Amino acid sequence: DIQMTQSPSSLSASTGDRVTITCRASQSISNYLNWYQQKPRKAPVLLMYAASRLQSGVPSRFSGSGSGTDFTLTISSLQPEDFATYYCQQSYSPPLTFGGGTKVELK
Amino acid sequence: QVTLKESGPVLVKPTETLTLTCTVSGFSLSNARMGVSWIRQPPGKALEWLAHIFSNDEKSYRTSLKSRLTISKDTSKSQVVLTMTNMDPVDTATYYCARTLRIVVVPAAYDASDIWGQGTMVTVSS
Repeated sequence: DIQMTQSPSSLSASTGDRVTITCRASQSISNYLNWYQQKPRKAPVLLMYAASRLQSGVPSRFSGSGSGTDFTLTISSLQPEDFATYYCQQSYSPPLTFGGGTKVELK
Repeated sequence: QVTLKESGPVLVKPTETLTLTCTVSGFSLSNARMGVSWIRQPPGKALEWLAHIFSNDEKSYRTSLKSRLTISKDTSKSQVVLTMTNMDPVDTATYYCARTLRIVVVPAAYDASDIWGQGTMVTVSS
């Protein structure tokens, strides 16, 4: 199975900060990478697929990049509603696997 | 409006079989390039992908649970059912079902879960 590793596991930031989250795959997955946002006691929300394609309705301050094994999710200017946990997921080959999550907290 | 709703027992005993049903509305389970995934989340922990089934009956399972999981669909009832045998306390989690799209961006196709149910908490305890 393909293992997904996210870093950091948590970070503290302020509103307006630029935030970058990293996701690494245990083997090349081309650009078969999704990003999700999850708020406490809520279901995850799809932010991005194909590593860099924004899901409909997601603000443009979110962007994704990467290919092969290394990927990043960037929030250009953190907003109050962005404090949440973020997960990457590979869709290159089943079983589809998630990373361990990155919790973005208020500094 | 697309919605998914999970249903099933709140509490199961160790060694019992869990049966969860995902009832969908706003789309058909026979729609091309659409499917349903099951994902779980133990309390305070990360998401774990369990299984998916697509309209063409393509199925996949989490490797570590493959012997315990079965996914099926009843298109006429708009339901996807997940069964997990031999339940253990470590299976205590919130179980989500999610619509999964196979999005074509030529020349590739990408699977992503765009609409999720609210989740159902299952506790395994005697």
